Amino acid sequence: DAGVIQSPRHEVTEMGQEVTLRCKPISGHDYLFWYRQTMMRGLELLIYFNNNVPIDDSGMPEDRFSAKMPNASFSTLKIQPSEPRDSAVYFCASSSDRVLNNEQFFGPGTRLTVL
Amino acid sequence: AQSVTQLGSHVSVSEGALVLLRCNYSSSVPPYLFWYVQYPNQGLQLLLKYTSAATLVKGINGFEAEFKKSETSFHLTKPSAHMSDAAEYFCAVTVADTGRRALTFGSGTRLQVQP
Repeated sequence: DAGVIQSPRHEVTEMGQEVTLRCKPISGHDYLFWYRQTMMRGLELLIYFNNNVPIDDSGMPEDRFSAKMPNASFSTLKIQPSEPRDSAVYFCASSSDRVLNNEQFFGPGTRLTVL
Repeated sequence: AQSVTQLGSHVSVSEGALVLLRCNYSSSVPPYLFWYVQYPNQGLQLLLKYTSAATLVKGINGFEAEFKKSETSFHLTKPSAHMSDAAEYFCAVTVADTGRRALTFGSGTRLQVQP
């Protein structure tokens, strides 16, 4: 398996622009997670899905952030409009309900810089 | 809700010395515990996991951790540090509840290995 795939790996944009981050989970996994990593706040959960349905979006910072999972093999995290404080590394992870210990497999991350 | 506390944001050891990274957790239900490692500009890689099968858990690269319920701890150790162990280490906790499957991470410990 190729593992969790994220694109783009790096994104540089200007304040006010729309940014879309993409994730392909491991085939057969039914959980998908979006995390954000910053120096100030560390690793924090933004949202997660189970069988394409959002379960917990309490970590989504504000209405500028939205996430979708239209099918089992694809998810997007959109920021519109972007702000400099959104600069961070965004990780996608997936896991399987058939694995009791909830082990999550992480993608390589997308490093977002908002100027 | 579950939480994790990592004592010491930076740890420095000499090559060949014992590595001890501390993690204490809080959870109202039996937890699953993980240690992840992050090398510079890379994603998170699983080192080891506690799933209640055994309290002493062995992971990759010679690392191990012991689950101590009485102390609510899950400290990470390695008998002899290697230069390649220099990285940031994250302790994380989750539980089996579908509604709380996301990982809660500690703030991380940066390990420095001196020659």
